[in-house]
Amino acid sequence: DTGVSQDPRHKITKRGQNVTFRCDPISEHNRLYWYRQTLGQGPEFLTYFQNEAQLEKSRLLSDRFSAERPKGSFSTLEIQRTEQGDSAMYLCASSLGRGRTDTQYFGPGTRLTVL
Amino acid sequence: KNEVEQSPQNLTAQEGEFITINCSYSVGISALHWLQQHPGGGIVSLFMLSSGKKKHGRLIATINIQEKHSSLHITASHPRDSAVYICASGNFGNEKLTFGTGTRLTIIP
Repeated sequence: DTGVSQDPRHKITKRGQNVTFRCDPISEHNRLYWYRQTLGQGPEFLTYFQNEAQLEKSRLLSDRFSAERPKGSFSTLEIQRTEQGDSAMYLCASSLGRGRTDTQYFGPGTRLTVL
Repeated sequence: KNEVEQSPQNLTAQEGEFITINCSYSVGISALHWLQQHPGGGIVSLFMLSSGKKKHGRLIATINIQEKHSSLHITASHPRDSAVYICASGNFGNEKLTFGTGTRLTIIP
């Protein structure tokens, strides 16, 4: 297994367009997290899944954002009607999540630029 | 609400120097994570600790639960250690991470 992968690595879009990012976690990892990082700041929590169930969403996640994890495997994060303020690095992480504190393994991130 | 603070924000040192980065948090946590981020964004987990001290190569992480404080030390620093080091606290239950803003470390040959 090669770790957490994210696609695309970079995305440039015009304001108002919709974008979708994909995250493939390490196989057999039950938990999957999405974080967002803006320039010069630490990442911020967006949402997380335990298997296919989305258990928590940050208030940062407006109704333009939606995330899914069908079948508890890969996850997608969609942003509708993008705004310039959405420009950031979107990070995905996964962990075993079997009722104990686990190391989170991060993907390389998707850098979104909204023009 | 848990807040995580790191110091210093930037640190420049000569190769070979002993490096210390500090992290404090405001509420009880399940574990404290130290992470390394290189230019381009990739984040690597260095340590996860809930008590005491851990060592891996030239890196040492310590935590004082009573004082809500953790430190990351690098011995015999090398230019390849140049990166952003981020501490993050793990939340009980869902383990979501609350991150500090990072310390940008530059080691000069």
